[in-house]
Amino acid sequence: NAGVTQTPKFRILKIGQSMTLQCTQDMNHNYMYWYRQDPGMGLKLIYYSVGAGITDKGEVPNGYNVSRSTTEDFPLRLELAAPSQTSVYFCASSYILGGNEQYFGPGTRLTVT
Amino acid sequence: DQQVKQNSPSLSVQEGRISILNCDYTNSMFDYFLWYKKYPAEGPTFLISISSIKDKNEDGRFTVFLNKSAKHLSLHIVPSQPGDSAVYFCAASGGGSEKLVFGKGMKLTVNP
Repeated sequence: NAGVTQTPKFRILKIGQSMTLQCTQDMNHNYMYWYRQDPGMGLKLIYYSVGAGITDKGEVPNGYNVSRSTTEDFPLRLELAAPSQTSVYFCASSYILGGNEQYFGPGTRLTVT
Repeated sequence: DQQVKQNSPSLSVQEGRISILNCDYTNSMFDYFLWYKKYPAEGPTFLISISSIKDKNEDGRFTVFLNKSAKHLSLHIVPSQPGDSAVYFCAASGGGSEKLVFGKGMKLTVNP
């Protein structure tokens, strides 16, 4: 049981490039989330999903897109990367929406230069 | 507008002593509160939670207290151990929202 896995662990992008951050969970959780954490700040919700085929915006969705074609996978797409997207990205999943504990992946450290 | 505030960025305590981490919130609709622990280069891990119908929840060395009238919760770690050294995040949800709102985190250092 691997829990929540994320790839890659690190990535450097040039301004204007695009990339997809991968997230997979093997706990059969319906709910999945993408957060970003900037230095000295808490986690801010980018997008979330309540099940396959259903996604919704969080607090900071601009510049990102998501899809949820299966229960297990919840990729995050960055289009036209900007320096403001330099951050650590965490994917999480939970069995019960919101109030119950969320299980986090190890994170992807992204630098846009 | 920070709805969940952890006003102290860091705390240093001696091994064996009590660590008290504080968290304040502004949204009266919050009804579920969680603490997460985060080591460097790892994702946050769930530590303990409390529902607004309770004022205390205990799990081993960790106890969370909730004061709804003051919109304040605290995490007590007794006794503190060096392995507790990490960043601790307070989070809240409620009011029909499915989203967790996180504080900025507090770095706890437990000295041997």
